[in-house]
Amino acid sequence: DTGVSQDPRHKITKRGQNVTFRCDPISEHNRLYWYRQTLGQGPEFLTYFQNEAQLEKSRLLSDRFSAERPKGSFSTLEIQRTEQGDSAMYLCASSRDSGNYEQYFGPGTRLTVT
Amino acid sequence: GESVGLHLPTLSVQEGDNSIINCAYSNSASDYFIWYKQESGKGPQFIIDIRSNMDKRQGQRVTVLLNKTVKHLSLQIAATQPGDSAVYFCAENSRGYSTLTFGKGTMLLVSP
Repeated sequence: DTGVSQDPRHKITKRGQNVTFRCDPISEHNRLYWYRQTLGQGPEFLTYFQNEAQLEKSRLLSDRFSAERPKGSFSTLEIQRTEQGDSAMYLCASSRDSGNYEQYFGPGTRLTVT
Repeated sequence: GESVGLHLPTLSVQEGDNSIINCAYSNSASDYFIWYKQESGKGPQFIIDIRSNMDKRQGQRVTVLLNKTVKHLSLQIAATQPGDSAVYFCAENSRGYSTLTFGKGTMLLVSP
């Protein structure tokens, strides 16, 4: 247990539905990251926050995806109008300030879109 | 030996052997590297890191070697145990960027 928690652990939804995932980072970490991982691949960066500010978004983050971190603590990732291609493991990680500190990952949320 | 399965290269070893997992990176500006271990159904777990001003770093039963000339990173696991069975990823970061870029991953299978 790294101290990063994610909820839910598994989500099955029908195509076209909206889903929201939550991440609670390690409390003293002010950086929070979202990644997506498909089977057999390494995690791919989606977006990251420093405190409540969203500082970078990947080209993978289409306009159907939105992430928030309103109080600089927990974060939510919402996917609107889900598609089958959104099926993946969504991982959250946190780190102290600076890109060269190790990122600690949560257990992930496994999304299956039917 | 090595084989390819499920899109991942696989390294199969016997318990007690030493394991070496390799990673090539392409970004010459990368200056920080991490090895992660990922077990099935879990998030990546930090193992060891190394900065580009070093070429070797040791932890408990693990050693990371960095060769910047050929952009190559390796993870050595001493006295491999069945609990070491997992997928291992290297990840790199460049100063000024906050994101990690992950390699493809290697599956390590340890048989008793």
